[in-house]
Amino acid sequence: EDQVTQSPEALRLQEGESSSLNCSYTVSGLRGLFWYRQDPGKGPEFLFTLYSAGEEKEKERLKATLTKKESFLHITAPKPEDSATYLCAVSGSRLTFGEGTQLTVNP
Amino acid sequence: GAGVSQSPRYKVAKRGQDVALRCDPISGHVSLFWYQQALGQGPEFLTYFQNEAQLDKSGLPSDRFFAERPEGSVSTLKIQRTQQEDSAVYLCASSVQETQYFGPGTRLLVL
Repeated sequence: EDQVTQSPEALRLQEGESSSLNCSYTVSGLRGLFWYRQDPGKGPEFLFTLYSAGEEKEKERLKATLTKKESFLHITAPKPEDSATYLCAVSGSRLTFGEGTQLTVNP
Repeated sequence: GAGVSQSPRYKVAKRGQDVALRCDPISGHVSLFWYQQALGQGPEFLTYFQNEAQLDKSGLPSDRFFAERPEGSVSTLKIQRTQQEDSAVYLCASSVQETQYFGPGTRLLVL
């Protein structure tokens, strides 16, 4: 059975304080690892897809990396508008999500 | 272009009532997925369509849950005889390759 574990469950940062979110996974036949952002009362918003170990993708202050066992979402100099829940998911036979990391960035 | 839309956005049902939730996928997207998201949790897979064919319904929690996509576009998730444990956000997603794009969800509250 595919499994995804995200840590930490919650993270509070000061504006400009860089950090990383972790996503550990086990999957039979990885077809892709996905990062989504979810704001309260909204559906998940797609951020990145990673397909193979060593792959990296960047978008504004976010950078996602992938190894054979885990993925990291690095947040550089975050702003308050980056506050959200960040979800990681793996695609094996179906899309399996972690429980998310709730990020709060204080001004 | 237009994203995935869902209606209603909010639904309050009395226990035992039947409900129907609608999903309009992104135009041209062959695959359509339904998920259930409890408060503070990640989405959990319910069912998957490729065009009008329901290829996987193994995530549906009971036989009270039924989904259809008769013309390969709009989909409806129906819950019969709702129970309090059915209260959750129901998310729909569509995709053309691996990446799924989500709608805003329907928040269902069963009293």
